[in-house]
Amino acid sequence: GPKVLQIPSHQIIDMGQMVTLNCDPVSNHLYFYWYKQILGQQMEFLVNFYNGKVMEKSKLFKDQFSVERPDGSYFTLKIQPTALEDSAVYFCASSLEGAGNTLYFGEGSRLIVV
Amino acid sequence: GDSVTQTEGPVTLSEGTSLTVNCSYETKQYPTLFWYVQYPGEGPQLLFKVPKANEKGSSRGFEATYNKEATSFHLQKASVQESDSAVYYCALSEGQGGSAKLIFGEGTKLTVSS
Repeated sequence: GPKVLQIPSHQIIDMGQMVTLNCDPVSNHLYFYWYKQILGQQMEFLVNFYNGKVMEKSKLFKDQFSVERPDGSYFTLKIQPTALEDSAVYFCASSLEGAGNTLYFGEGSRLIVV
Repeated sequence: GDSVTQTEGPVTLSEGTSLTVNCSYETKQYPTLFWYVQYPGEGPQLLFKVPKANEKGSSRGFEATYNKEATSFHLQKASVQESDSAVYYCALSEGQGGSAKLIFGEGTKLTVSS
């Protein structure tokens, strides 16, 4: 099936440092998402992105978070500065259309903030 | 906002026995309903989805019926296999167009022993 690639697969970072998580979505998809999953817990929506803009963000999407997709390249999630509670697995997803459409997820980027 | 509630896990079954994972949802809309499966170290992947009330979805022996009156979408399988061991997420599609996103339940971890 369609593949979403995420880089890095895991990263350990000092609290207060910046981290950028990269996502290569399915090539013809137009809608992009980030979800956060703390170990053993549910998938929680962070943000969606369409036509170069953030469409909606959840309460978990703190001011320290930002997303962009410059010139159709990687869809990125940047956290600056990181905090201990940012430790989680971050999943990128993409879909061809919006409502009711299937989201295709990457394998996740495990972030550990120490 | 919309929400999804699932059978609390973990669930442990012997191979060949039947499975039911309950899923209830709350929404003011008419969402598409999804079952996703997540294997260790991977992102969630679509099991199947049902866009309309009173219709049934199925894949790999799993099935669920979109019950709008009961606001339920219970996952069932008549005879589970060891390879079915995974976390199962019920989800609904909330929002329209670029604001659409998936809202996930808590997930139900299934372990099948031989």
